[in-house]
Amino acid sequence: NAGVMQNPRHLVRRRGQEARLRCSPMKGHSHVYWYRQLPEEGLKFMVYLQKENIIDESGMPKERFSAEFPKEGPSILRIQQVVRGDSAAYFCASSPPMDPEAFFGQGTRLTVV
Amino acid sequence: AQKITQTQPGMFVQEKEAVTLDCTYDTSDPSYGLFWYKQPSSGEMIFLIYQGSYDQQNATEGRYSLNFQKARKSANLVISASQLGDSAMYFCAMREITTGANSKLTFGKGITLSVRP
Repeated sequence: NAGVMQNPRHLVRRRGQEARLRCSPMKGHSHVYWYRQLPEEGLKFMVYLQKENIIDESGMPKERFSAEFPKEGPSILRIQQVVRGDSAAYFCASSPPMDPEAFFGQGTRLTVV
Repeated sequence: AQKITQTQPGMFVQEKEAVTLDCTYDTSDPSYGLFWYKQPSSGEMIFLIYQGSYDQQNATEGRYSLNFQKARKSANLVISASQLGDSAMYFCAMREITTGANSKLTFGKGITLSVRP
């Protein structure tokens, strides 16, 4: 049973480009979460999704950021027109239904140059 | 609003000794879960241990145990027989369960642990 898979592991984008981060949850997990970690800080919640639904997006910036978890395929976190302040590690986690445990992927480290 | 506090400065421990990493939390939710994660220099988040607010006994997982003191709202992680590979950042996190078993995690700022040979 593979763990939470995130790709790419490292992503470099120029200012103004788009960044797409992918997350495949563990088998049997229908809940996906995205977190952002700035250097020397803890993880900050961004968004919580179930298949085809956004459940909680209270941590998502209002502009440029979007997330989806389609019926088929991985969850995608999309950042449009990236700026240097978007440079961070982005972690995806997944949970099975009605189970509070959460398992994390290895993260995608986004660098905006 | 839920909140996690980790205020210790960088911690040092001698190899093979035990170490306690502090975590206090604040929530008005009667049902919640507490987590500890390890983040080594390679960057991944490794789940260590989980404690539910209604669990009668403190959680243990191998060399990890959680000293859960509900009245004090503390959930300290105890690592016994420290190993060099335990050197990492350690994060305490909480999930309020009354709003749903799958609600978001709130993290503390983390504690750096260095194990000396």
